[in-house]
Amino acid sequence: QKEVEQNSGPLSVPEGAIASLNCTYSDRGSQSFFWYRQYSGKSPELIMFIYSNGDKEDGRFTAQLNKASQYVSLLIRDSQPSDSATYLCAVKTGGFKTIFGAGTRLFVKA
Amino acid sequence: SAVISQKPSRDICQRGTSLTIQCQVDSQVTMMFWYRQQPGQSLTLIATANQGSEATYESGFVIDKFPISRPNLTFSTLTVSNMSPEDSSIYLCSVDGMGGSNEQFFGPGTRLTVL
Repeated sequence: QKEVEQNSGPLSVPEGAIASLNCTYSDRGSQSFFWYRQYSGKSPELIMFIYSNGDKEDGRFTAQLNKASQYVSLLIRDSQPSDSATYLCAVKTGGFKTIFGAGTRLFVKA
Repeated sequence: SAVISQKPSRDICQRGTSLTIQCQVDSQVTMMFWYRQQPGQSLTLIATANQGSEATYESGFVIDKFPISRPNLTFSTLTVSNMSPEDSSIYLCSVDGMGGSNEQFFGPGTRLTVL
């Protein structure tokens, strides 16, 4: 079983719609959860992190965490073509190592 | 945030040769991480480099193939030895955020092609 699982996509949404990205993880001891965005040919950059159950909002982005279900999601409201990228879910346990999911490719159609 | 630079940004190498990738951070950090990202794949941790001690390698990666140096708190190198086409990948250096933040910052990557 993979430690961090994501649907590889591609996920295609029209401009202005809500994009919903999902991630599950296997280690119940995981404590920190991250969403990174990676444009083609570029390095990953952090867009959201969440540590506690519930929702966390930052502008057009909302991260949702459900530790009981071992589930993390990212909602992107009012999606823009510039949001088209690969979104990586990442999980940190109590140690220093970060485990990345395979990523979901998102296309926002103008 | 940390500013990370890597050299070279890309290289094309012949089978059987070795390439050393350099990573420089603009501040002192305890741990530096080396990742590999093969085409269309996610990030795979190769090893963690601490200053003053041997690197810790992940399953599937060995020191003879990927020797790492960490001479000080701002610099590290990763060597890809005896390369084969399967080593063609992007190699990324990474550090944890400053001030206790848990996020990771990545260098721009080194795109390696092995012929």
